[in-house]
Amino acid sequence: EAGVAQSPRYKIIEKRQSVAFWCNPISGHATLYWYQQILGQGPKLLIQFQNNGVVDDSQLPKDRFSAERLKGVDSTLKIQPAKLEDSAVYLCASSLSPGTGNEQFFGPGTRLTVL
Amino acid sequence: GQQVMQIPQYQHVQEGEDFTTYCNSSTTLSNIQWYKQRPGGHPVFLIQLVKSGEVKKQKRLTFQFGEAKKNSSLHITATQTTDVGTYFCAGPFGGSYIPTFGRGTSLIVHP
Repeated sequence: EAGVAQSPRYKIIEKRQSVAFWCNPISGHATLYWYQQILGQGPKLLIQFQNNGVVDDSQLPKDRFSAERLKGVDSTLKIQPAKLEDSAVYLCASSLSPGTGNEQFFGPGTRLTVL
Repeated sequence: GQQVMQIPQYQHVQEGEDFTTYCNSSTTLSNIQWYKQRPGGHPVFLIQLVKSGEVKKQKRLTFQFGEAKKNSSLHITATQTTDVGTYFCAGPFGGSYIPTFGRGTSLIVHP
């Protein structure tokens, strides 16, 4: 079974530039999560999708971050414009459904450095 | 908002010693999950606990959910170098919950 795919694996940009990350979840997984993991901290949920609908985006800084999941499969997360404090690893995870008993499968992440 | 605290932040052990990490929530959790993240890697699911007082074992790993469902622990017996990594607790999942991860406990095993 193929895992969660993410690209790019690394990205270096200057502040005020834009960047986009892509995620392809495990086939058949209805729920998709985007997390931000700052060095030395646990992952912080940014947004959760159920199929192509948003379940929760309360922790997404909507003035600069946006995310979409077209057709309920792939997802993209965009930052525009980036700030220095956005430097982090952005993790995508998927699960069969958001209910209990469903483990999350994480992708390898995208390491973003904002200079 | 909900907070999930983990202690200790770091733990150095000699190979063969035991290790325990503790997770405490400011609110009652309907469920809790544990993940392991190797250095440079991504979180990997270990287990989910749902019932009050639940204890689950996976080989040398023992997971426990408190009676009040506000705390949990992970105990590793006789650590090995392959146990190196950061262990996170997280919850709750499902419904309208926003899963919160603890800061993690980094385990360093000295051979």
